[in-house]
Amino acid sequence: KNEVEQSPQNLTAQEGEFITINCSYSVGISALHWLQQHPGGGIVSLFMLSSGKKKHGRLIATINIQEKHSSLHITASHPRDSAVYICAGRFAGAQKLVFGQGTRLTINP
Amino acid sequence: DTAVSQTPKYLVTQMGNDKSIKCEQNLGHDTMYWYKQDSKKFLKIMFSYNNKELIINETVPNRFSPKSPDKAHLNLHINSLELGDSAVYFCASSQEGAGALDAFFGQGTRLTVV
Repeated sequence: KNEVEQSPQNLTAQEGEFITINCSYSVGISALHWLQQHPGGGIVSLFMLSSGKKKHGRLIATINIQEKHSSLHITASHPRDSAVYICAGRFAGAQKLVFGQGTRLTINP
Repeated sequence: DTAVSQTPKYLVTQMGNDKSIKCEQNLGHDTMYWYKQDSKKFLKIMFSYNNKELIINETVPNRFSPKSPDKAHLNLHINSLELGDSAVYFCASSQEGAGALDAFFGQGTRLTVV
């Protein structure tokens, strides 16, 4: 079992829908990253958070330390949001990221 | 101005060859990484260097040898390439320190071994 688990693996929605991607992790994470990988392959870091909530434009990331769970939300989704979204945990004392398996999001016009 | 740059972007080579992938970051970060993304798009760490010193080596075959001539560069050399080495390799950097753990990724190198 991977230390970082994401769901769903694939998600297809219509333009405008509210999107939620979930990430659960095992104990000991000091920070959690949300990354975006576009079809062209490049990876961009969207958020890094260790508590609470962060917002950037239409993207919101939350983390619940007690429940060991994080969510990435996209409001008013758009076809250009279509990408693979990856959560990654940084474990305390470890200088590496452990990745979830990714969620492939497709937004249809 | 590219923060983390890798070269080449695509690399097609025959089994048994030796090849290198180069990575450079201009962010002044102390820590650099190599990650491998398999055909199922799953990312996994291979190596991490901090200030030119190897910190992490995650059960990678010793045909893979990272080299860090200075803290802005982390190159990956692969000997005797095998079909199973075909993957996308990502370089990344971060600044380890209080509140500054965000990771910056290169654009990836798609390696195809034929």
